[in-house]
Amino acid sequence: GAVVSQHPSWVICKSGTSVKIECRSLDFQATTMFWYRQFPKQSLMLMATSNEGSKATYEQGVEKDKFLINHASLTLSTLTVTSAHPEDSSFYICSAKGQRGLLNEQFFGPGTRLTVL
Amino acid sequence: KQEVTQIPAALSVPEGENLVLNCSFTDSAIYNLQWFRQDPGKGLTSLLLIQSSQREQTSGRLNASLDKSSGRSTLYIAASQPGDSATYLCAVSGGNTGKLIFGQGTTLQVKP
Repeated sequence: GAVVSQHPSWVICKSGTSVKIECRSLDFQATTMFWYRQFPKQSLMLMATSNEGSKATYEQGVEKDKFLINHASLTLSTLTVTSAHPEDSSFYICSAKGQRGLLNEQFFGPGTRLTVL
Repeated sequence: KQEVTQIPAALSVPEGENLVLNCSFTDSAIYNLQWFRQDPGKGLTSLLLIQSSQREQTSGRLNASLDKSSGRSTLYIAASQPGDSATYLCAVSGGNTGKLIFGQGTTLQVKP
């Protein structure tokens, strides 16, 4: 299957700092990338959808000024958690779809574990 | 609003047993349905994707079925092995945006 990478795989930061997470599609062009959040023992919740070259579409209840998403190229999307607080600690997973696999098939990254102290 | 439910939440079986995981969704107007596996602290591994026009997909010991009209899907695992222990998630896509709505998952433990 297609390969999607995330960096970093884990990060610990102090409350009030900003953290940037990268999502890359390594062997295909991703026209759309999705960002999910997963709290312990819960399922994945979609945060936002980003299309290359346009503004991200955020799900209800997700603060767009807190979770900044940039999808500047067909292989890279970034999620920046601004002024992080302990309640933002979670597992963040991205996925990508595009010119690979079945129509609408999403390929998932390995996730980034964020811990805010 | 689409809601996806998975039953049971947890399941423990002895090695070698055949088992069925259930997934139901409230809006039958789906584009496709996917089953994923997630190991603790890891990302998702796609197991099977069923398009809305299909009724089942098979991969090795796994077989997934889809009944759109009743809003149900099942994942059948044959001859379970300890290595199958993981959380299994089903997710439905409601349209050409590709947005996936996930169920809560079934955590499977296969005992040697």
